[in-house]
Parts: sequence; C-alpha cells; structure tokens
Amino acid sequence: NAGVMQNPRHLVRRRGQEARLRCSPMKGHSHVYWYRQLPEEGLKFMVYLQKENIIDESGMPKERFSAEFPKEGPSILRIQQVVRGDSAAYFCASSPIFGFGGDNEAFFGQGTRLTVV
Amino acid sequence: DAKTTQPTSMDCAEGRAANLPCNHSTISGNEYVYWYRQIHSQGPQYIIHGLKNNETNEMASLIITEDRKSSTLILPHATLRDTAVYYCIVRAGLNNDMRFGAGTRLTVKP
Repeated sequence: NAGVMQNPRHLVRRRGQEARLRCSPMKGHSHVYWYRQLPEEGLKFMVYLQKENIIDESGMPKERFSAEFPKEGPSILRIQQVVRGDSAAYFCASSPIFGFGGDNEAFFGQGTRLTVV
Repeated sequence: DAKTTQPTSMDCAEGRAANLPCNHSTISGNEYVYWYRQIHSQGPQYIIHGLKNNETNEMASLIITEDRKSSTLILPHATLRDTAVYYCIVRAGLNNDMRFGAGTRLTVKP
C-alpha cells in the first residue's frame, strides 16, 4: 500500500468542530474510495469518487459528511460538527482507470484516526 | 452489501498452509475475486485477485472453483506475521466499487 498518502495520521477534534481528512492517491490513479472502521469492526464503504465526480455515495451519512476529489489536489473527506460517534479510523484507497472487468487492484493508505473529545 | 461469506475465525499452526475459504455464490461473469488482509489496525493490504483461473504470486495462491461460486486463499507456509483479518470481496468493472464483509480473523500459532 505504499504510495497512497493520508494525512493527518491522527486527528483530535472537540465536539462541534470540523474534521478534514486528506487522501493523495497513487500517481496515475483517478479513483478514490473512502471507508470508516469503528473499533473492533470491519471496513464500511462510504463513498467512491473519480476525478471531479462522486460515483457512489450510498455509504455516506446523510448529514454532516461530504467528500470531494478535485481536478487538482487530494481527495477530502469533510465531517462537520463532529460528535463522539464519529471517532473511528478512516481509510482511503485508490485505483487506476479500470481496465476491462475490474482487473486492477486498489491500494490503501494507512488511515487517519479521528478522536472526538 | 458484501456479496461474500467467510468463516469468522480460523487458526493455523506456524509453518503449515493456511486455507481460507470464501463463498460468492451470486458472483456474475464479469466480477473478479479479490483478497485483502488487515494486520492489526493498519491499512488493508492487497494480496491477490483472479477471474476464473487459479492465480499465484509471492504472497499466496488463489483457487477458484469451476463454477466460480467459491474460492480459497492459500498461504503456503504461514508465519506469525500472517495473523490478520482476511477479506474476500468481488469487484465488477462497471462501477468498480469494493464492499467488504466481516472477513476471517486468522490466528497463526507457534
């Protein structure tokens, strides 16, 4: 998973503040996925983006959460007015323009651990 | 929702082969089978993927049944560092999304 950079690695926010999590995909990758992992639980899909487009946001909470992947710069997962239940590890993954049949692997970053106090 | 089912946990003796099964009975013709693992709280690590032929790389082998409804990930000589949660997922080319199930927690014991 070398190459997918997430920052910050650790983020502490007080309740009501905003959290901005950044994901820089591997060079040449134009697809980004975001996942949330609560302690002792599995990875939960949140959103899938291509450059400048949200392809699937069916896993995103309806309120306070948003994601973007601009033409230039990293993908951003934004959480407004954070609550204690938002405390989790947030992972992003990137993959290249897909070939026929999805024959390409996605690589993950090391995640951002968000703690809401 | 995940399209795969895996056992919750498995144990394996160090140095022995670890065989991790995965059922994907509703897999469609253009969907690939992917395996990832997550060691402790690190980012998931890609292991291997395949469509219908068996695949092997430096980490593992992937055996896919002829009807493609199930597969087995084989770690030929498990080490303590292979202790992790192993995820089997299926991916299609259209939307290219990846949805993880609960995975199998493999514990390699000395």
